[in-house]
Amino acid sequence: EVVMTQSPATLSVSPGERATLSCRASQSVSNNLAWYQQKPGQAPRLLIFGASTRATGIPVRFSGSGSGTVFTLTISSLRAEDIGVYYCQQYDKWALYSFGQGTTVDLK
Amino acid sequence: QVLLVQSGPEVTNSGSSVKVSCKTSGKSFQSLSINWVRQAPGQGLEWVGIFTASVDVTNYAPRFQDRVTISADTSTKTVYMEITGLRSEDTGVYFCASGSYMDVWGNGTTVVVSS
Repeated sequence: EVVMTQSPATLSVSPGERATLSCRASQSVSNNLAWYQQKPGQAPRLLIFGASTRATGIPVRFSGSGSGTVFTLTISSLRAEDIGVYYCQQYDKWALYSFGQGTTVDLK
Repeated sequence: QVLLVQSGPEVTNSGSSVKVSCKTSGKSFQSLSINWVRQAPGQGLEWVGIFTASVDVTNYAPRFQDRVTISADTSTKTVYMEITGLRSEDTGVYFCASGSYMDVWGNGTTVVVSS
C-alpha cells in the first residue's frame, strides 16, 4: 500500500501571497497524482490530475508539479475563497488508491 | 458528464450492517469506475474501495477488506457499499466518486453508528 504524507498540516497565508503544499509518496507513483480542495460540508473538488494538469474550470493560480515521490501544489496568489483542506491522492497502482492526510490552508 | 446521487442518511446500532447506494447517470455504466471514500467527523479522506464496471471487479483498501462489500446493479446503474459489524469508528460521511482521479463526486451519505 502506498502511503501519502502531506506537509505542513496547517498553512497560514496572507491574501495575495503564495501558498506551497507538499505531498510525498512512500514509493514512486510516476505522475499518477491528483490534488483536491474540500470546504466544510462539501464534497471534495478535483483541482489537478496527472500531477500538473488543471481540471476543468480550475483557475490558473493553481498549479501542480513533481513526479515519482515528491509533489507540490502551488497557489500563486491566495484568495479568501481558497481556504479549505487540500488532499493529494495517488492512483498509480490500478484500483488500490490512497489519500494524504490533508493540509489546512487558512488566512493569516 | 456523469452524475452521482447517493442514498439518504442512516442511523444504526453497533454490530449491525448498513448498505449505501450511489445511482449513476449521464454516462455509459460500463465505462465507469466508482470509488467509495470515507470521512470520519473532523478527519481526512480515506479510500475504501472501487468497482470497475468494464471488468466487473471490486478492490478494497486492506483495512476494509474484511467488513466491506461493494456491488453493482447494472439494470439500475447503481453501485452499493455494505459495511457489516458496524462500530462507532465507522461513523462518518461516505462519498462515491468516479474515476481513478475522482472528477465527479456524489453528495455524500452520513452514517451514524450508536453504541
